[in-house]
Amino acid sequence: DAKTTQPPSMDCAEGRAANLPCNHSTISGNEYVYWYRQIHSQGPQYIIHGLKNNETNEMASLIITEDRKSSTLILPHATLRDTAVYYCIVSPHNAGNMLTFGGGTRLMVKP
Amino acid sequence: DTAVSQTPKYLVTQMGNDKSIKCEQNLGHDTMYWYKQDSKKFLKIMFSYNNKELIINETVPNRFSPKSPDKAHLNLHINSLELGDSAVYFCASSHRDDGSGNTIYFGEGSWLTVV
Repeated sequence: DAKTTQPPSMDCAEGRAANLPCNHSTISGNEYVYWYRQIHSQGPQYIIHGLKNNETNEMASLIITEDRKSSTLILPHATLRDTAVYYCIVSPHNAGNMLTFGGGTRLMVKP
Repeated sequence: DTAVSQTPKYLVTQMGNDKSIKCEQNLGHDTMYWYKQDSKKFLKIMFSYNNKELIINETVPNRFSPKSPDKAHLNLHINSLELGDSAVYFCASSHRDDGSGNTIYFGEGSWLTVV
């Protein structure tokens, strides 16, 4: 069962902000929103996570709607190296960390 | 220093063989995992393991078994390899409960091809 819905692909111009949406309308109160990415031929990489407040770190910002049914990952100044598949995952904090990855969004950053 | 390292990176073997993929993490984590990424690029959890508990994804055939000699290692043994086992296998690790949520660190993957 897919708990999140993401567009299969997106393009972004280099240097512009990349806004990646995710719908998680059935999210439970104890579930966090996590974002990972996978660059071609590499292992997945953690980006950011949040519960209900917006979060920011050195890689990205996470905006979660007030009803928590959707979120947006923002890469403020996308570079070519940000081309990857981005996964939005919802999971309880203590679920044995058995994250379930969906299809993700393939982000192509173009010069 | 690689945080989660796995060997071999590439493995080509014949059907019916038994093979192992090794994984080591130097992050001091207490939980390790194996994920499988098939040709359609879907990442599926296979096992979650710490020194107290093994959680197995029920869809994983019992030909697959994790072996953990210590907290820093979780090796994947595969018996009687089949063509459908061809995939990329990722090892990963995290703290079970350190307040940092599900921050999982992945290895670079092991490409298994069964011929």
